[in-house]
Amino acid sequence: SQKIEQNSEALNIQEGKTATLTCNYTNYSPAYLQWYRQDPGRGPVFLLLIRENEKEKRKERLKVTFDTTLKQSLFHITASQPADSATYLCALNDYKLSFGAGTTVTVRA
Amino acid sequence: DTAVSQTPKYLVTQMGNDKSIKCEQNLGHDTMYWYKQDSKKFLKIMFSYNNKELIINETVPNRFSPKSPDKAHLNLHINSLELGDSAVYFCASSRTSGGDGEQFFGPGTRLTVL
Repeated sequence: SQKIEQNSEALNIQEGKTATLTCNYTNYSPAYLQWYRQDPGRGPVFLLLIRENEKEKRKERLKVTFDTTLKQSLFHITASQPADSATYLCALNDYKLSFGAGTTVTVRA
Repeated sequence: DTAVSQTPKYLVTQMGNDKSIKCEQNLGHDTMYWYKQDSKKFLKIMFSYNNKELIINETVPNRFSPKSPDKAHLNLHINSLELGDSAVYFCASSRTSGGDGEQFFGPGTRLTVL
């Protein structure tokens, strides 16, 4: 089964800067990779899905890249705001979604 | 409009008891899931149902028994609760079963076993 590693448990950044989160996996490249946001005490919320034949996907201030050669996805939050503070989870699909442990982002005003 | 709802939100019980968690989705999805999120925040799938049929059972102890009376509901019954069952349990649903679509999660049920 896949081993999924998200770069660090916590990331602290200044408001207005770009946060970059990393998701690495070990085995075969999945057909799809998803990113979710989870706030304390709440369920994860879907943000973006990227397919293996897509290099990049954007949604407002969010950008996801998918490099099947490096077995890595990068998740960027540009012009970060305190409201972006949350835990971000990457998830890979095979017959099910397998989640990484998440990276907690704190944006300082 | 709540998309995926779970009851109860909190559940505190003694070891050895039996408890149930209920889940309902009003999205018209065919597939529903149960996930467990432990104290380290790691989210792991337990079960998946597609149109009331079990399609994923991830080596969960048979003290856990899911039941899907119809495709909008997926309940989780846990027998003989153990300390290690303490976690947050999330219900989720999706339009398809192949992991290729977004999943909608409920608010979670925090289970504490004393």
